[in-house]
Amino acid sequence: ETAVFQTPNYHVTQVGNEVSFNCKQTLGHDTMYWYKQDSKKLLKIMFSYNNKQLIVNETVPRRFSPQSSDKAHLNLRIKSVEPEDSAVYLCASSLQGLGQYFGPGTRLTVL
Amino acid sequence: QEKVQQSPESLIVPEGAMVSLNCSFSDSASQSIWWYQQHPGKGPKALISIFSNGNKKEGRLTVYLNRASLHVSLHIKDSQPSDSAVYLCAVNPSSSFSKLVFGQGTSLSVVP
Repeated sequence: ETAVFQTPNYHVTQVGNEVSFNCKQTLGHDTMYWYKQDSKKLLKIMFSYNNKQLIVNETVPRRFSPQSSDKAHLNLRIKSVEPEDSAVYLCASSLQGLGQYFGPGTRLTVL
Repeated sequence: QEKVQQSPESLIVPEGAMVSLNCSFSDSASQSIWWYQQHPGKGPKALISIFSNGNKKEGRLTVYLNRASLHVSLHIKDSQPSDSAVYLCAVNPSSSFSKLVFGQGTSLSVVP
């Protein structure tokens, strides 16, 4: 059963365009995350929010910006996408940092 | 910075076999260590976690942690074709409780 929802499932775009991904969790968790999974399946954290406050900001290009309206929603915007941004973007949530639950991911292809 | 390495990279076993997956990490003060299962096109699903040295059993899964040797292993008893997936080892680093550092995964195929 899915409790972390991501939209869209897939997105194909051209270099230089702007894209936005949405994530919502219905678990009542207080912390949400964005991870990037590359073609070799390696997952790397990008951002983490706790109660709408940014608490982890790994070294990612400035064209990536997270946005949180409340503790149940965390979106990701990418301004001017590059070919290396092609990946699966996974959203996760947890309660007080314990046991992260992942969404199904958004697959981005940049042509 | 925490580093997590998994072995083997891939594994093919017959149905009913015992499966052993390995993971080494770099920070002896790391917090919990997690094992996740990921089927194609799906997000990772948490299977089991361990914090203290020793072992922990849940159903067909047993995890062993040895902090002195910076090693954790996952054992799946009586493997089934539905266990075919990528298994990811993830560590809560001591530097930040709010993130997981993942290994590159082990791809498991259980053949009938």
